[in-house]
Amino acid sequence: SSDLTQDPAVSVALGQTVRITCQGNSLRRYSASWFQQKPGQAPILVIYGDNNRPSGIPDRFSGSSSGNTASLTITGAQAEDEADYYCNSRDGNRVVFGGGTKLTVL
Amino acid sequence: QVQLQESGPALMKPSETLSLTCTVSGGSTGSSSYYWGWIRQPPGKGLEWVGSFYYSGSASAYYDPSLKSRVTISVDTSKNQFSLKLSSVTAADTAVYYCARHPNVVSTWHAFDIWGQGTMVTVSS
Repeated sequence: SSDLTQDPAVSVALGQTVRITCQGNSLRRYSASWFQQKPGQAPILVIYGDNNRPSGIPDRFSGSSSGNTASLTITGAQAEDEADYYCNSRDGNRVVFGGGTKLTVL
Repeated sequence: QVQLQESGPALMKPSETLSLTCTVSGGSTGSSSYYWGWIRQPPGKGLEWVGSFYYSGSASAYYDPSLKSRVTISVDTSKNQFSLKLSSVTAADTAVYYCARHPNVVSTWHAFDIWGQGTMVTVSS
């Protein structure tokens, strides 16, 4: 089991908004990062420090955090956003990952 | 543009020691700004952090507690590479192994911003 808990699967209609959540005690103290992974590819960082987008990540991706829950929101989901999404954080000098959420764009 | 590339054996036998190397181009493994880490992903499963290493004059290494007794990560700044050694492998160590960079910043230490393409390692007799 993972230190961070994610829903295994979420779906969204094309063009609609979807929120993917991540829960864990470490999020009360440390920020969350979010990664997008498509089949056969390495993960890509899409959000860091709870709500910061790396260069090149579309602004439809946003993040937030409150208490023990971090969220990744995709506003106006596109077909190319269909992927697995992983949150992570730290717990002292250990990195922890969520179990991942499979996003389906309908 | 920083790029990472993993290399190592694709097939191993149980009880052997896995050795993987990550070659860094466009950046320096001796930079004070970054840690260099390994993450693995068993087939059909999620991401698992293995450990991370930092070297800029002095060295720091952190490992996942579940693997700590079997893992060593080191850096060769002269070759701009860092390596993973995992001893006494079993079938449970079968996974895609990624090397990745993350910042030497307390608040975003876990934000792996550059990843290698990954290398599949299968442990089978």
